[in-house]
Amino acid sequence: SQQGEEDPQALSIQEGENATMNCSYKTSINNLQWYRQNSGRGLVHLILIRSNEREKHSGRLRVTLDTSKKSSSLLITASRAADTASYFCATDGDNYGQNFVFGPGTRLSVLP
Amino acid sequence: DSGVTQTPKHLITATGQRVTLRCSPRSGDLSVYWYQQSLDQGLQFLIQYYNGEERAKGNILERFSAQQFPDLHSELNLSSLELGDSALYFCASSVEGQGVEAFFGQGTRLTVV
Repeated sequence: SQQGEEDPQALSIQEGENATMNCSYKTSINNLQWYRQNSGRGLVHLILIRSNEREKHSGRLRVTLDTSKKSSSLLITASRAADTASYFCATDGDNYGQNFVFGPGTRLSVLP
Repeated sequence: DSGVTQTPKHLITATGQRVTLRCSPRSGDLSVYWYQQSLDQGLQFLIQYYNGEERAKGNILERFSAQQFPDLHSELNLSSLELGDSALYFCASSVEGQGVEAFFGQGTRLTVV
């Protein structure tokens, strides 16, 4: 089962603009992570935010978490062509006892 | 380099055949996860092993099986292959505990013809 659902499914922006992706999930979580996948490659961990945190920064990345709305957002500021990738949120725990439950992802295209 | 090694990188086989995908986790990681990613799809969780024991099971078909060996490497066996099994198969590993990071291999691209 996929607990996380990213929105939008696809996003196209110009270089230098900010990109915002959202993730909604269904059950309570201990933490939420964001991963990036370049085309056909393995996923790479970007950032983790715990359920008692509301906002976290890492370089040009800003993640927010609203546990009351069961949602998170990933903001990439001053985007670059190299940011073109798919971005996935992953939550912990579901009925299967999985450690990492991934959503379907957002495909980001940054146009030069 | 994530430290997770998957072999082979590419595999082309015919329908009805059986293949084995191999994964060596990152040094020290006891948990191994297998995921299937079809074209332009998200990651479907298949199965997780922890220190040789099955820990969690997702939507894994009965034609598929996996195991984790004493040296912690894992194998995913896919049998009676169908065209729809064509996908990227990823292995990931992590340490035990909550709030840990998953490290992914580069995947095996399976094409069933």
